[in-house]
Amino acid sequence: NAGVTQTPKFRILKIGQSMTLQCTQDMNHNYMYWYRQDPGMGLKLIYYSVGAGITDKGEVPNGYNVSRSTTEDFPLRLELAAPSQTSVYFCASSLRDRGIGPLHFGNGTRLTVT
Amino acid sequence: KNQVEQSPQSLIILEGKNCTLQCNYTVSPFSNLRWYKQDTGRGPVSLTIMTFSENTKSNGRYTATLDADTKQSSLHITASQLSDSASYICVVSESWGSSNTGKLIFGQGTTLQVKP
Repeated sequence: NAGVTQTPKFRILKIGQSMTLQCTQDMNHNYMYWYRQDPGMGLKLIYYSVGAGITDKGEVPNGYNVSRSTTEDFPLRLELAAPSQTSVYFCASSLRDRGIGPLHFGNGTRLTVT
Repeated sequence: KNQVEQSPQSLIILEGKNCTLQCNYTVSPFSNLRWYKQDTGRGPVSLTIMTFSENTKSNGRYTATLDADTKQSSLHITASQLSDSASYICVVSESWGSSNTGKLIFGQGTTLQVKP
């Protein structure tokens, strides 16, 4: 099993550009999440999904959008990139609700907005 | 405000030595506490999950302890190896109510460097 796969690994965007961060998992997990990790800070939840067709906002959703058309895929969309979105983005999945079971993380996408 | 604080921020030890990382939390209501290991350039990987009733849990050379009364946890690494060099993240889960999924509160991590 590949687990959780994220692409791309690195990306540099200009202010105002758009992009989609891809995330796919092969563990048949219903729960999927997007987190951002900033230096010296704990991970913050952007969006999450409890199953195909269902998404909900996390702690820091502004400037992002998600969709969940299949169990496997959970892409994160940045519409108008801003310097404040410079961060490392992690996609994760879990078999049970995140409050109960462990999260399985991808290896991240490092995004720089200049 | 629910918070998770880890100490020290960073730590350097010699290979073969033991070390202990600390985690203090103010999360309430409490459901469980996890420790993750994050290698440089990789995503976090789960080491242990402890509920309110568990005092100790081990995963190989990693032993986590939990004191729910004082709201403190520690991660003890025995006979450290170079591969233990990583960031260690403490995560606390709030109890989830009938209408909410569980909320996780992440610490900022302790960076451990093991030198030969």
